[in-house]
Amino acid sequence: SQQGEEDPQALSIQEGENATMNCSYKTSINNLQWYRQNSGRGLVHLILIRSNEREKHSGRLRVTLDTSKKSSSLLITASRAADTASYFCATEAGGSYIPTFGRGTSLIVHP
Amino acid sequence: DTAVSQTPKYLVTQMGNDKSIKCEQNLGHDTMYWYKQDSKKFLKIMFSYNNKELIINETVPNRFSPKSPDKAHLNLHINSLELGDSAVYFCASSQVGWTSGGQSSYNEQFFGPGTRLTVL
Repeated sequence: SQQGEEDPQALSIQEGENATMNCSYKTSINNLQWYRQNSGRGLVHLILIRSNEREKHSGRLRVTLDTSKKSSSLLITASRAADTASYFCATEAGGSYIPTFGRGTSLIVHP
Repeated sequence: DTAVSQTPKYLVTQMGNDKSIKCEQNLGHDTMYWYKQDSKKFLKIMFSYNNKELIINETVPNRFSPKSPDKAHLNLHINSLELGDSAVYFCASSQVGWTSGGQSSYNEQFFGPGTRLTVL
């Protein structure tokens, strides 16, 4: 099945450092989304990148998409303790509008 | 105003019982979903409803029965609860956008806060 897999599973950094998370998937996609999940909460949409786009920015977030490698990366610059959360990629493929989620990267930012 | 709300937030019950989780969205979206997140945080789609009609029904036991009285509500009823049903259940909604070619152009999901179900 079409499923994004995030890497690494866990990431621990100091405040102010950059955090990079990767997502790989298996088949062609229409678009890819990144979500954040704070502990005990629902997922919150961060950014969507379409298959014909290569890079998107939103505040301190930068997302890249390489369809030839079937991978995407999420970069959080100048991280803050409040960025501590799990980050998920979700892919939409073919005629399905249902996004398929990966298992997430758990990010801890130490103050 | 909460966009997608679920009740209850926590549900602890015995094996074999029947329970329901309610979900409401005030975003005016046409499509609602139920997801199950296991202990390893894997999030899996269970059902999708569009304008009160069942669109997606993944390989979910028929003990799980969604009900959509109107497009703002999607409730989940679970019969004969089993230990393996313990998980966090998320309701979500979205307004699916389509390209002129019939492909999904965007489907941003709005999630509820989740219901943690523990079956003893």
